[in-house]
Amino acid sequence: GQQVMQIPQYQHVQEGEDFTTYCNSSTTLSNIQWYKQRPGGHPVFLIQLVKSGEVKKQKRLTFQFGEAKKNSSLHITATQTTDVGTYFCGRAGGGNKLTFGTGTQLKVEL
Amino acid sequence: DVKVTQSSRYLVKRTGEKVFLECVQDMDHENMFWYRQDPGLGLRLIYFSYDVKMKEKGDIPEGYSVSREKKERFSLILESASTNQTSMYLCASSAGLAGGTDTQYFGPGTRLTVL
Repeated sequence: GQQVMQIPQYQHVQEGEDFTTYCNSSTTLSNIQWYKQRPGGHPVFLIQLVKSGEVKKQKRLTFQFGEAKKNSSLHITATQTTDVGTYFCGRAGGGNKLTFGTGTQLKVEL
Repeated sequence: DVKVTQSSRYLVKRTGEKVFLECVQDMDHENMFWYRQDPGLGLRLIYFSYDVKMKEKGDIPEGYSVSREKKERFSLILESASTNQTSMYLCASSAGLAGGTDTQYFGPGTRLTVL
């Protein structure tokens, strides 16, 4: 499957700073999902975006799907230590299959 | 809550050994998946299954096979383990919604080391 490009690979922030990770595809995406994996844990579903230009919020997390449905972003406002982990996007690959991005590892320093 | 369990959290095997990784889900999900996770490479799909006795290759099936004899159980088999198969292996399941891409639920992972 065609993998989505996810940037950055790593991000260190001070607690309270904002954080954004981006997923980019060369082809139009039918939908995109976001997952979070805590250190030592397994990926856990956060959200799915389906519509062009869609914006969804979960407390301090804001998820966006581009107008052309070729990119998506996850923005965290005022990071906390509980936000530490790796964030993955996943594109639909047909038949309920997902192709995941390479992930962005977030570290939050006090 | 969906529960996906994997037979071992940590496993150490020798080169050439046959290795079985077991995954069980308790939510009557149609779809099951095996991924491997390596630093900088994200989650890569090895094999998946839509139904009992059905399997399809993912992106990196070489060196692996799978078995799904019962709906709740999906096994990953390394016929002859090699050192480059040292990795974290994650199993996942999803309900199998028609016409869409549904949420995947992951197991805790098996960290396999091949010596």
